Amino acid sequence: GDSVTQMEGPVTLSEEAFLTINCTYTATGYPSLFWYVQYPGEGLQLLLKATKADDKGSNKGFEATYRKETTSFHLEKGSVQVSDSAVYFCAPAERSGSEKLVFGKGTKLTVNP
Amino acid sequence: DAGVTQSPTHLIKTRGQQVTLRCSPKSGHDTVSWYQQALGQGPQFIFQYYEEEERQRGNFPDRFSGHQFPNYSSELNVNALLLGDSALYLCASSLYTAGVAFFGQGTRLTVV
Repeated sequence: GDSVTQMEGPVTLSEEAFLTINCTYTATGYPSLFWYVQYPGEGLQLLLKATKADDKGSNKGFEATYRKETTSFHLEKGSVQVSDSAVYFCAPAERSGSEKLVFGKGTKLTVNP
Repeated sequence: DAGVTQSPTHLIKTRGQQVTLRCSPKSGHDTVSWYQQALGQGPQFIFQYYEEEERQRGNFPDRFSGHQFPNYSSELNVNALLLGDSALYLCASSLYTAGVAFFGQGTRLTVV
């Protein structure tokens, strides 16, 4: 089945720093790719997605590009804020009927003022 | 739009007991998936329901079962609870025809 490897956390940055969280995946098919974010004590929120090669997903200043040749979907943000502190999950979705998400352990981001 | 709602938010059960968790999908969605998230881990897929049938299942024992009702809401049942079943249980809804999954806030289950 599909699997995902995310950059080990935790990641600690100062406000306005540049963020990169690496994500690579293995998949037997052609998955859709997602980034979800989980704030403390909450469920997961969709951050962005891409459904085919070279697609760029973007939302709230975050971006990620679907790189089929390197099976990667790295998350970037040019200037992080304290409010971005959360756990970030990269998830390929197996395409067998409705999409089944495959999550890694996540990357915890802490942004200090 | 209320989004995905789950109940209860927190639950404490004794080892060996049975538990039922509930989920109402986002308006317009027809598919419900359940995930288990242990502390410090990513969510793990339990199973998915569409048209009141289990369509996909992850690597979970038969103690985990579910149901989907005609209004698309769903229940997750866990029998013979173990301490290791303590986790956050997340419900996600979507459209079966390739929709994005939206998650609820989860039910925090503690088995003592």
